Amino acid sequence: GAGVSQSPSNKVTEKGKDVELRCDPISGHTALYWYRQRLGQGLEFLIYFQGNSAPDKSGLPSDRFSAERTGESVSTLTIQRTQQEDSAVYLCASSPGVQGVSEAFFGQGTRLTVV
Amino acid sequence: GQQLNQSPQSMFIQEGEDVSMNCTSSSIFNTWLWYKQDPGEGPVLLIALYKAGELTSNGRLTAQFGITRKDSFLNISASIPSDVGIYFCAGLRGGSNYKLTFGKGTLLTVNP
Repeated sequence: GAGVSQSPSNKVTEKGKDVELRCDPISGHTALYWYRQRLGQGLEFLIYFQGNSAPDKSGLPSDRFSAERTGESVSTLTIQRTQQEDSAVYLCASSPGVQGVSEAFFGQGTRLTVV
Repeated sequence: GQQLNQSPQSMFIQEGEDVSMNCTSSSIFNTWLWYKQDPGEGPVLLIALYKAGELTSNGRLTAQFGITRKDSFLNISASIPSDVGIYFCAGLRGGSNYKLTFGKGTLLTVNP
């Protein structure tokens, strides 16, 4: 597709269940970012992938959060044993080369609601 | 995590009016970015600022990177109804070109 694609667009899950969020970056983009946006807040950095380098996971809020990326393609963000505080919009972005996030395009996000 | 101090939180203006919003921080940023977010969408970059004192325009938008590197402002001139949305400032610290710190946003409403 032409832009960053995220799925599902909405997810409602019960507290304690695991969820998996998917991001399809723009073809050819080597950098991929995950951010989280809580209601009424700005975005918070979660994790950064750049090519085959080790990802920067320093923004992941707890060990219940993990993310993977296969090569320069799809990424999945997994949240285990979800809690109500995990409710937020999870946004993925991708950018070409090493220019950084100022060159990035964001997807529409996945709205996660934990009940 | 730390967020930038963005103000105002919301603005209600008449079409044709000019708008100004700003962000401040207690620490230095090397890059300032301004985004607009529409409901149900991801943020879209409006303006990027890379040097202290830099003043950059993009159509009716003008943004400046403060001399102290601890603040930035965004002006929108002659507002139109499609300017409605949430505007976010964001900054990058030295050593990172991917770990953005965001403000909480300014909700702009334009009355036609």
